[in-house]
Amino acid sequence: QKEVEQNSGPLSVPEGAIASLNCTYSDRVSQSFFWYRQYSGKSPELIMSIYSNGDKEDGRFTAQLNKASQYVSLLIRDSQPSDSATYLCAVNIEPGNQFYFGTGTSLTVIP
Amino acid sequence: SAVISQKPSRDICQRGTSLTIQCQVDSQVTMMFWYRQQPGQSLTLIATANQGSEATYESGFVIDKFPISRPNLTFSTLTVSNMSPEDSSIYLCSARTGATEAFFGQGTRLTVV
Repeated sequence: QKEVEQNSGPLSVPEGAIASLNCTYSDRVSQSFFWYRQYSGKSPELIMSIYSNGDKEDGRFTAQLNKASQYVSLLIRDSQPSDSATYLCAVNIEPGNQFYFGTGTSLTVIP
Repeated sequence: SAVISQKPSRDICQRGTSLTIQCQVDSQVTMMFWYRQQPGQSLTLIATANQGSEATYESGFVIDKFPISRPNLTFSTLTVSNMSPEDSSIYLCSARTGATEAFFGQGTRLTVV
């Protein structure tokens, strides 16, 4: 498996705070990056995708990509208890377009 | 987005037997993937299934143990052969087209006794 690492958890933040999730990857040619959320007993669901260096915002979520540092992050603003889940970073590896997941970070938002 | 139907949703199987998991997509997709997820762990890619070619297996997974079929652009199966308790896990199928996001089936929770 290609190496995709995420910051070790579990991570706990109070309601309303910013949750910061980090991901590093080893394959320098990766071009597509994704953040998924997985509730216990459910399948992963896509939160955001990012393809270019910089920030991409979608509501309370901001993805940040730095290809030179091989680093992608997800910020969750105004965290809510419903955000409590495991967050998975996924990296598309070319040329075969295999899709590899990071180790996952468990987030708990405390009311 | 694609809707993926995966079945069975769960099963309890005797060791030494085989189970075939089916995955049906509501649209044509170029790539389908099979993952395994142990409790509390992330997703581990088993193999990539492309229509018209042999599946590509990741290190640690072999065709004799996990044969895969991909007869058309909307359907794939994964068989878990000669099962042992170590095969107890959640198996997920996934589909995507190109470098876009992947969509997932509901998963199959397998328990081998």
